[in-house]
Amino acid sequence: QKEVEQNSGPLSVPEGAIASLNCTYSDRGSQSFFWYRQYSGKSPELIMFIYSNGDKEDGRFTAQLNKASQYVSLLIRDSQPSDSATYLCAGDSSYKLIFGSGTRLLVRP
Amino acid sequence: EAQVTQNPRYLITVTGKKLTVTCSQNMNHEYMSWYRQDPGLGLRQIYYSMNVEVTDKGDVPEGYKVSRKEKRNFPLILESPSPNQTSLYFCASSAARGPSGYTFGSGTRLTVV
Repeated sequence: QKEVEQNSGPLSVPEGAIASLNCTYSDRGSQSFFWYRQYSGKSPELIMFIYSNGDKEDGRFTAQLNKASQYVSLLIRDSQPSDSATYLCAGDSSYKLIFGSGTRLLVRP
Repeated sequence: EAQVTQNPRYLITVTGKKLTVTCSQNMNHEYMSWYRQDPGLGLRQIYYSMNVEVTDKGDVPEGYKVSRKEKRNFPLILESPSPNQTSLYFCASSAARGPSGYTFGSGTRLTVV
């Protein structure tokens, strides 16, 4: 069974700090990886995607991909209380996205 | 506004009573998919469709049916709902042939008693 694994958290950080969210995946055939943010009771919202090894930056967010280690991460700089949500990591596999169960992030004011 | 529209948002039904959850997108996307989300299990794919009249099973298709007669619509049908189908359901679509960045619908919270 192909899997994407995340620590469920909660990950608690103070406002203004860097939040680091991680996931690992088992399908070496996966090429594309996605980070979604999901507020309680709401639908997932795409934050970033990454296809190539290395870093990809978009505003306060940086996605990192290491295909050799099968590892994906999301860094959130200058964390805000509004960033408090569950973050879902997903990888593509055979015409679908496989999602991790998500990491809950709490940003303390 | 580009969006995926699901209806209803909330539904309580009884075991065995057939129901349909509708999904419609206005982005001319080819790829559409249904997921269910359960605590601790994450999002699991039920069915997907690569284009009109092309559908295939995902990871948890038992007890569900879908159809894709028009590009914009992808309804999810529960012929005989059971309590283990109580869940939060999401429809999603994307432009590419495979699942690139999904756009999700707002979700349907289904309770089967």
